[in-house]
Formats: sequence, C-alpha cells, structure tokens
Amino acid sequence: DAGVIQSPRHEVTEMGQEVTLRCKPISGHDYLFWYRQTMMRGLELLIYFNNNVPIDDSGMPEDRFSAKMPNASFSTLKIQPSEPRDSAVYFCASSAEVPRSEQFFGPGTRLTVL
Amino acid sequence: SQKIEQNSEALNIQEGKTATLTCNYTNYSPAYLQWYRQDPGRGPVFLLLIRENEKEKRKERLKVTFDTTLKQSLFHITASQPADSATYLCALGGNTPLVFGKGTRLSVIA
Repeated sequence: DAGVIQSPRHEVTEMGQEVTLRCKPISGHDYLFWYRQTMMRGLELLIYFNNNVPIDDSGMPEDRFSAKMPNASFSTLKIQPSEPRDSAVYFCASSAEVPRSEQFFGPGTRLTVL
Repeated sequence: SQKIEQNSEALNIQEGKTATLTCNYTNYSPAYLQWYRQDPGRGPVFLLLIRENEKEKRKERLKVTFDTTLKQSLFHITASQPADSATYLCALGGNTPLVFGKGTRLSVIA
C-alpha cells in the first residue's frame, strides 16, 4: 500500500482565495482525520470521519473551513476564504479502528497564505 | 480542559547515552497512550502504544512507562544514535480521538 496520500504537498495562495487540500486514506481504514500543525499550537485535530460520515468537527476553527468525504477513498479540506493565519501544515491520517489503533499520517500539505 | 505537556521543546544528548522524554497530562484519564516520531517535513510515525493497565512496554531500544497515578509517561531510547534525532510526540486516547502533545525535539550528538 502506498500509505496515506495528500496533495498538493505545498500550496502558496493569496488571502481571500479558496484552498482545497486532498487526501486518499489507506484502503480498508474506516477512520479519517484532518489535523493542523503549527509551532505555537502543535498538532490539532480539526475533524474526523467514520465510514465517510463526519463524527466530530468541533476542532474546525471557523465556518471558513469545511471538509467532505464523498467516498471511502477520498476526502477534501476546503478553506474559503483563506487568511494568513491559516498558514500551517495540514495532515491527513487514517486508522483501522478508533480509539486504540495507531494512526497513519500522510506527508502533509504546507499551506502559506500571503 | 485536557492539557498535555512534554518536558521540553528540545533535548540534546550524547550518542550512546539514554534519552528520556517526559509526557505529563492533566484533566484527563486516558485509556492508553501512544508515542510518535516526526522527522522534518514528514508526518508523524507511530512507535508504541501502552494501555492504562500496563506499566511498561518495550520495542527494541525503546521503552515506555505509564504511571496513571502521576499522570505521566516516560519514553526512553537506549544507546541513542544520531539517526534517533527527531521530534517525539506523545498522544493520549480513550473513547475519543487522540490528543497530541507539542513534542520534544531530540538531537543526538555524535
């Protein structure tokens, strides 16, 4: 298996633009997580899905953030409109079972909003 | 609210010595605790999981302890090598998804 795949790896955009981050989880994993990592706040959970259904989105900072999982092999995290404070590394992770399973992380998307 | 503290942002250690990283938590009763390694520009990678009823877990040169009374986990790397240099994250779990600490950046100096 190729592991968790994220695209793009780097994104530079201007304030106000829409940003879409993509994730393909490991096949057979029922759980998908979106995290944001910054120096100040560390790794924060934004939202997670179970069998394509959003379970907890309490970590989504604002209505500007939205996430979807239309099928078991694809998820998106969208920011519209983007702001400079959204600059961070965004990780997608998947796991076979929550809460006891290890999580497998993708390589991350480094987002810079100018 | 839940709070997780990892002893320091950075730890420098001489090659061959044992590195000890600390993870303390408050306002939480985790059923288990995980440790991850993160290299620059990469996502975290799972290392070990220890459950609340386990005192100690080992994997090769790694050892993790879990003291639910002290609300603390210790992560040891014995015979440390420069290749062990990375950021190490602890994460607490229960019936809810993992909550991560900010990590400790370990540098092993040859």
